Amino acid sequence: EPEVTQTPSHQVTQMGQEVILRCVPISNHLYFYWYRQILGQKVEFLVSFYNNEISEKSEIFDDQFSVERPDGSNFTLKIRSTKLEDSAMYFCASSDWGQEYGYTFGSGTRLTVV
Amino acid sequence: SQKIEQNSEALNIQEGKTATLTCNYTNYSPAYLQWYRQDPGRGPVFLLLIRENEKEKRKERLKVTFDTTLKQSLFHITASQPADSATYLCALPPAGRALTFGSGTRLQVQP
Repeated sequence: EPEVTQTPSHQVTQMGQEVILRCVPISNHLYFYWYRQILGQKVEFLVSFYNNEISEKSEIFDDQFSVERPDGSNFTLKIRSTKLEDSAMYFCASSDWGQEYGYTFGSGTRLTVV
Repeated sequence: SQKIEQNSEALNIQEGKTATLTCNYTNYSPAYLQWYRQDPGRGPVFLLLIRENEKEKRKERLKVTFDTTLKQSLFHITASQPADSATYLCALPPAGRALTFGSGTRLQVQP
């Protein structure tokens, strides 16, 4: 069964550093998403991406964050100048015809900011 | 403001019984609702989608109902097994936008 692949599985970074989280969505999917989950809290929407541009973003997704699809397969989330409160599990997801058919999530990247 | 409410208390049931989880929402008129399963440290896994014009949807041992008048969905697992132990999330699209998730209900099935 096709999978969404995320790397790395765990990243530790110093406060103020930049991190790039990587995702390979399912190849024929058109919609891509980033969500995050702070430990013990709910899954929160960050951003959605379609047709090579951001289609929607949440209040969390401020100027500190950016997304890119640098080639035909990868989808990245960059966090500039990380803060302690950015520590969370970050999930990438993709869907084919939009959210009506369910999202396929990756296994996540656990980001720890120290 | 829009809210999705799921029982934050864990649901403990005996193997073989039916588990029923509730999702209530306010200030939404969703065209559909989805249910996901999440295991610790893992991403959510899509289980079922039910549309506003569908009262009930079934998939193997899973059954979902959707009452747009009550603004509620019920998620049932029949003949529950210890392997069904997980957190179950309901998710709604606010006005056709990306899915918003509830905080989930943890289900523990005792052998």
